Amino acid sequence: DQQVKQNSPSLSVQEGRISILNCDYTNSMFDYFLWYKKYPAEGPTFLISISSIKDKNEDGRFTVFLNKSAKHLSLHIVPSQPGDSAVYFCAFYSGAGSYQLTFGKGTKLSVIP
Amino acid sequence: KAGVTQTPRYLIKTRGQQVTLSCSPISGHRSVSWYQQTPGQGLQFLFEYFSETQRNKGNFPGRFSGRQFSNSRSEMNVSTLELGDSALYLCASSLSGTTITEAFFGQGTRLTVV
Repeated sequence: DQQVKQNSPSLSVQEGRISILNCDYTNSMFDYFLWYKKYPAEGPTFLISISSIKDKNEDGRFTVFLNKSAKHLSLHIVPSQPGDSAVYFCAFYSGAGSYQLTFGKGTKLSVIP
Repeated sequence: KAGVTQTPRYLIKTRGQQVTLSCSPISGHRSVSWYQQTPGQGLQFLFEYFSETQRNKGNFPGRFSGRQFSNSRSEMNVSTLELGDSALYLCASSLSGTTITEAFFGQGTRLTVV
C-alpha cells in the first residue's frame, strides 16, 4: 500500500524556467511535509518543509504548496539552475507520536543549460 | 556546525556475517533515525531513538537492531547478513522531542553483501 506517490519519475526543464515537482498522499494523518534533494551516493539534503496548518511556504527559489483537501504537495523551483539537477523526494511525518518519515520514490530533475 | 557523520562510508561483507554501522548526530540533536535505501524499495524507515530509547520501529526483521548512547551517538547492527541487505544505510538526526522538526541526513554507509 503506497501511501505516497511521486508519479513523475523524471522531469526535464530548461535553465531559468520553473520546475514543478508533485507528490500525492493518501494518509490523512500526515501533518508535516518535507522536500529533500539527493545526489547519487550521498544522503538526502533537506530543502523546505510545511506544516498542515499552512498552505504555502517560501525559501528563496523554493516554494512548497500544500493542498490538504486534494492531499497534494508540490515544490516549485524558480528559476531553475543546472545545480538543481538531482533526485527530489517528498517526505511526510504523521502525528500522534510517530517520528518516522515516509518517503516518495523520488523524481529525477534535469535542468538543461 | 558539523553535520551528521556516518562511518564507515563503504563496507563489503560476506553472507552470514554481522555488521555494525555508526552515526554521530548534529550537536544538540537527541533524535536519531535510520533508513535503508534500495533501488526497488526507495527509502524505508528502520527505527528511531530519542534519549537512548527506541520510540519507533519499522517493518524490518529482528536481524536489524540499534541502540543510542548517552551522547546521542547511535549504532545499527545487522546480524546474519543476506544478499538483500545490500543497500545505502542512512542516518538522520533532528531536534524532535515532543514536537516534530526537520531531519538532517548523513552521507550514508554503502553496504555490499557478497
